[in-house]
Amino acid sequence: KNEVEQSPQNLTAQEGEFITINCSYSVGISALHWLQQHPGGGIVSLFMLSSGKKKHGRLIATINIQEKHSSLHITASHPRDSAVYICAVLPIPNFGNEKLTFGTGTRLTIIP
Amino acid sequence: NAGVTQTPKFQVLKTGQSMTLQCAQDMNHEYMSWYRQDPGMGLRLIHYSVGAGITDQGEVPNGYNVSRSTTEDFPLRLLSAAPSQTSVYFCASSYQRGGTDTQYFGPGTRLTVL
Repeated sequence: KNEVEQSPQNLTAQEGEFITINCSYSVGISALHWLQQHPGGGIVSLFMLSSGKKKHGRLIATINIQEKHSSLHITASHPRDSAVYICAVLPIPNFGNEKLTFGTGTRLTIIP
Repeated sequence: NAGVTQTPKFQVLKTGQSMTLQCAQDMNHEYMSWYRQDPGMGLRLIHYSVGAGITDQGEVPNGYNVSRSTTEDFPLRLLSAAPSQTSVYFCASSYQRGGTDTQYFGPGTRLTVL
């Protein structure tokens, strides 16, 4: 069983819809990352969080450490949000290696 | 800043050939890492470095070598390419140790081994 599970695997929505992508993990963590992989392949870091909530523009990331769960929300979705969204966690203990464990990603398609 | 650069973007090799994937960053980041991305799997760590002269193995190091002679460069060498090494390879860097800081990724190298 993968330590990091994302749902849904694929998501298609109409432009303007509110989007939620989920990430669940099975181990204790010290940090969680949300990444965006563009259709062209490039990967961009969106958020790094260890508690609470972070917001950047139309993107909001939340994490519940007790429930081992994080969500990425997109408000007023736009076709340019179409991408693969990847969750990654830093497990503890990590013995100083700081090796991230990655989910397999959620492919989001926004239809105009 | 150019950020993290990788060359080449695409490469086709025959089984048994060797090659080096180049990675460079101009952000003075100490931490650099190499990942491979395969269909249906999350990114997997191949090797990483916490500073010039210091490297260590990740999750899937077999068949790959790395060195870090400068802060800027972190090349990945395929010693004798195998079809199982067909993948997309990403180099990443961060100011602090990898999992505790924002990750900056290169554009990737798509490698096919025939």
